[in-house]
Amino acid sequence: EAGVTQFPSHSVIEKGQTVTLRCDPISGHDNLYWYRRVMGKEIKFLLHFVKESKQDESGMPNNRFLAERTGGTYSTLKVQPAELEDSGVYFCASSSIGGIPFDEQYFGPGTRLTVT
Amino acid sequence: AQSVTQPDIHITVSEGASLELRCNYSYGATPYLFWYVQSPGQGLQLLLKYFSGDTLVQGIKGFEAEFKRSQSSFNLRKPSVHWSDAAEYFCAVAPTEYGNKLVFGAGTILRVKS
Repeated sequence: EAGVTQFPSHSVIEKGQTVTLRCDPISGHDNLYWYRRVMGKEIKFLLHFVKESKQDESGMPNNRFLAERTGGTYSTLKVQPAELEDSGVYFCASSSIGGIPFDEQYFGPGTRLTVT
Repeated sequence: AQSVTQPDIHITVSEGASLELRCNYSYGATPYLFWYVQSPGQGLQLLLKYFSGDTLVQGIKGFEAEFKRSQSSFNLRKPSVHWSDAAEYFCAVAPTEYGNKLVFGAGTILRVKS
């Protein structure tokens, strides 16, 4: 079974440009999560999809970030326009059913975004 | 707000030596507790988890962790470290009433010297 995949693995863009990150969850997983790690800091939650619906987007930093999950399969995270402080590693995770007690989240390798 | 503290940014141990990585959390109730490991170029892999019951939990790769409610701690241990254990380790909690989001510590980088 394929794991969570993310594309690209690295992206270097200039301030003001747009970047789109993609995440393909494990097949059949309804729950998809985005997290971000800014250099040397904690990994922080961004948002959670259940199928194509946003269940919790409390961690999204501002309206320059747009996440979508059309059709409830893969997800994209667009940053427009990118700022220097957006640099970091963006992780995607998926889980099958969610809920209690807690459904294990399987993480992808992350996309390293560098904004210059 | 809930938070997770990993006080050691880097730890270096000799191969074959024992290991303990510290984790403290700040939260009113007992959350669900996790340890993840990230090797270079890999995603985060779950080592072990604690939900309830026996406070000493066994995980993969010979790791174990002990939950101590009185100390709000969930330290990770391994009796004998192998060179392949060199990686970054993350403690995480899931506050029980906040759905499925994880709150992570800043991570501890483990170096193993031969």
